[in-house]
Amino acid sequence: GAVVSQHPSRVICKSGTSVKIECRSLDFQATTMFWYRQFPKKSLMLMATSNEGSKATYEQGVEKDKFLINHASLTLSTLTVTSAHPEDSSFYICSANAYSYNEQFFGPGTRLTVL
Amino acid sequence: GEDVEQSLFLSVREGDSSVINCTYTDSSSTYLYWYKQEPGAGLQLLTYIFSNMDMKQDQRLTVLLNKKDKHLSLRIADTQTGDSAIYFCAESRVDKIIFGKGTRLHILP
Repeated sequence: GAVVSQHPSRVICKSGTSVKIECRSLDFQATTMFWYRQFPKKSLMLMATSNEGSKATYEQGVEKDKFLINHASLTLSTLTVTSAHPEDSSFYICSANAYSYNEQFFGPGTRLTVL
Repeated sequence: GEDVEQSLFLSVREGDSSVINCTYTDSSSTYLYWYKQEPGAGLQLLTYIFSNMDMKQDQRLTVLLNKKDKHLSLRIADTQTGDSAIYFCAESRVDKIIFGKGTRLHILP
């Protein structure tokens, strides 16, 4: 099946710094990538939908200046958490749309801890 | 409402069948999904069912869909220790997929 990777898998940073998370589709071209955030004991929350070459579409309540998304190519999307604070600590998961919007392949996730 | 609902915890003895239930809200959903998440990992698509189907079987997995009641279930036959994970039910909407909170499946020896 299609493979999606994320880097880094874990990151610990100081409050106020920015962190970039990469999401790559390894063996297919992803026209659309999705970024999710997972809270403990809560469902996955869709943060934004990212289409190659255009601006990301953010879900209601997600600050676009806080969570910068860039989808520069058909195989790479990045999420930058700017001026991170402890409340941004979470598990961030990306997914990529391979053949139709109904088929998504998920990355392994990135655990962000902000001290 | 907007939510996909599922129980948070299920405990099953090894070798027994596990049944995880889910209710969804959008009657126009085209696809319904079951995802598996192992500790510290991302999500893995287990199976999905098209909304015009009542049942889908794939090896040890059986998905039942009751469209009238908007109820979806996942049955895992002969549950093994490797099945221990969180199982997410999800429904497709027009431009996104909505997930339930996940059911943690615990296997008893």
